[in-house]
Amino acid sequence: GAVVSQHPSRVICKSGTSVKIECRSLDFQATTMFWYRQFPKQSLMLMATSNEGSKATYEQGVEKDKFLINHASLTLSTLTVTSAHPEDSSFYICSAGTSRSGNTIYFGEGSWLTVV
Amino acid sequence: GQSLEQPSEVTAVEGAIVQINCTYQTSGFYGLSWYQQHDGGAPTFLSYNALDGLEETGRFSSFLSRSDSYGYLLLQELQMKDSASYFCAPLRTNTDKLIFGTGTRLQVFP
Repeated sequence: GAVVSQHPSRVICKSGTSVKIECRSLDFQATTMFWYRQFPKQSLMLMATSNEGSKATYEQGVEKDKFLINHASLTLSTLTVTSAHPEDSSFYICSAGTSRSGNTIYFGEGSWLTVV
Repeated sequence: GQSLEQPSEVTAVEGAIVQINCTYQTSGFYGLSWYQQHDGGAPTFLSYNALDGLEETGRFSSFLSRSDSYGYLLLQELQMKDSASYFCAPLRTNTDKLIFGTGTRLQVFP
């Protein structure tokens, strides 16, 4: 079964509003989670590393004020897309690993965001 | 910095064997992971190599040559459901983030 869960799986929002996506590790504690974005027929692009109890580390070119990441507990990280625009419409995926899994990283089911 | 090279697309027929190559350049190297992603879905872990040689997991095997900065994923007895994108992702440390290249799109025909 899934070890990393994302919610919602699909969301439609109006331009200018904010949307929150949750990523949960189900049976392990994740001090680090990762957020990716993927446009159709393109590769996964790492957006940021979410660190429990501290600020996220953003990849170059990703606006930290637009993509707010909060990792308040060892099992939950959230990504908030603020003031969403149609160009933010994409597939957002989180991932997490555990020392028990060795070097296996588990991905959530992904969240399709459509901004209209 | 980091760079990855994979073929963009590979086609094959059911029952065949396909090899997807991956060459990489990283500032450090710990191991090489392989992931599969079906259209509209999330990536799923396939295989991982930390040492040189072949790792076999059912129909899928992965090979690594650290000295050549090269690896490949071998898919045997291809099935239609194997049509997907395949990504290699090198790890620079044992806790490194996964950076994906453009991946290889595999199409399996009957």
